Amino acid sequence: GENVEQHPSTLSVQEGDSAVIKCTYSDSASNYFPWYKQELGKGPQLIIDIRSNVGEKKDQRIAVTLNKTAKHFSLHITETQPEDSAVYFCAAAYSSASKIIFGSGTRLSIRP
Amino acid sequence: EAGVTQSPTHLIKTRGQQATLRCSPISGHTSVYWYQQALGLGLQFLLWYDEGEERNRGNFPPRFSGRQFPNYSSELNVNALELEDSALYLCASSLVQGSTDTQYFGPGTRLTVL
Repeated sequence: GENVEQHPSTLSVQEGDSAVIKCTYSDSASNYFPWYKQELGKGPQLIIDIRSNVGEKKDQRIAVTLNKTAKHFSLHITETQPEDSAVYFCAAAYSSASKIIFGSGTRLSIRP
Repeated sequence: EAGVTQSPTHLIKTRGQQATLRCSPISGHTSVYWYQQALGLGLQFLLWYDEGEERNRGNFPPRFSGRQFPNYSSELNVNALELEDSALYLCASSLVQGSTDTQYFGPGTRLTVL
């Protein structure tokens, strides 16, 4: 069935270093891949998204890459800062099923 | 522009009772989605409403139901509450019908079943 796998489940990086979170999806019909950041006690906030007609998208320190052949996509955060500490979720939209499937989340901690 | 709002913030019920959670989408958004986020787990899709109709539902029992009103706000009802229903319930809205349109989330309602 439809599935999105996300790795790692926890990630700790030194402030200023880069963080990479990877996701794979199962349905080749997926064509929309958003990333959400969830801080403690809050709802998920969209930080960046990519559609299947694009291989890479960048917004300041955040970038997302998509490999449709391999069915995986990744989030890259450069020059990490303490405020980047949160849980990050990837997702894949299966338009034929009209719903978004979320990964299990990555808890990112930035060490000072 | 106001974001997605949800009420109440917290809700405490006992097993067997019914819970009603409410959501107001971003102005102009017609689609509302409900998700369950159990502690330490990811988001599980519950329901999707658009233009007042249920468009899709996730793998949840029928005691999870809801509706969408003419002003596009939505209500999630959970009947015969069980302990494992304790979770953060998130509502999201999108501008246009369909799963490939960006969903914007509210802050959630924390439901605790005792």
